[in-house]
Amino acid sequence: GENVEQHPSTLSVQEGDSAVIKCTYSDSASNYFPWYKQELGKRPQLIIDIRSNVGEKKDQRIAVTLNKTAKHFSLHITETQPEDSAVYFCAPVEYGNKLVFGAGTILRVKS
Amino acid sequence: NAGVTQTPKFQVLKTGQSMTLQCAQDMNHEYMSWYRQDPGMGLRLIHYSVGAGITDQGEVPNGYNVSRSTTEDFPLRLLSAAPSQTSVYFCASSRLGQGYEQYFGPGTRLTVT
Repeated sequence: GENVEQHPSTLSVQEGDSAVIKCTYSDSASNYFPWYKQELGKRPQLIIDIRSNVGEKKDQRIAVTLNKTAKHFSLHITETQPEDSAVYFCAPVEYGNKLVFGAGTILRVKS
Repeated sequence: NAGVTQTPKFQVLKTGQSMTLQCAQDMNHEYMSWYRQDPGMGLRLIHYSVGAGITDQGEVPNGYNVSRSTTEDFPLRLLSAAPSQTSVYFCASSRLGQGYEQYFGPGTRLTVT
């Protein structure tokens, strides 16, 4: 099955700085790569995703880049704000609808 | 639309007790799934369903049963609760097929003593 690793496990940045979280996966057949954000005590919510035929996707301050050859994809958040503080999960899809979640990255934005 | 709803929000069980966590969605989604979330381990898939009458096991199915008699409902049954099942449980639903957003319910926090 899919083996997913996220780095770093914790990330602290100053407000306004950028944050980058990397996700490495093992199954070369994976074709869909979402990122979920979970605020404290809340449910996970999709923030951005990318498909295997695209190398980069941007949505305002967030972006995702994909390197299928190296089997990793990364979440980039620019101009971080306190409301970006949360746990972020990558969840590459092995097949069908089955998400395989990474262990999560705790992002703290200090103001 | 209510989206994905779960009941109860909190539950405390004694070891050996059984109970059912309820999950319902009103988006006519074919795919529904149950995850458990433990500290430092992300979300792990327990069971999933691709439509009424069809269920399958995920990564951590032992100790849990599911059924899917309607498109809307996907209950999770704990047969004989154990302390190792203390966790937060999330139900999710989506359209069937790769690349569709999964919508999560608010979660059920379960403690087994």
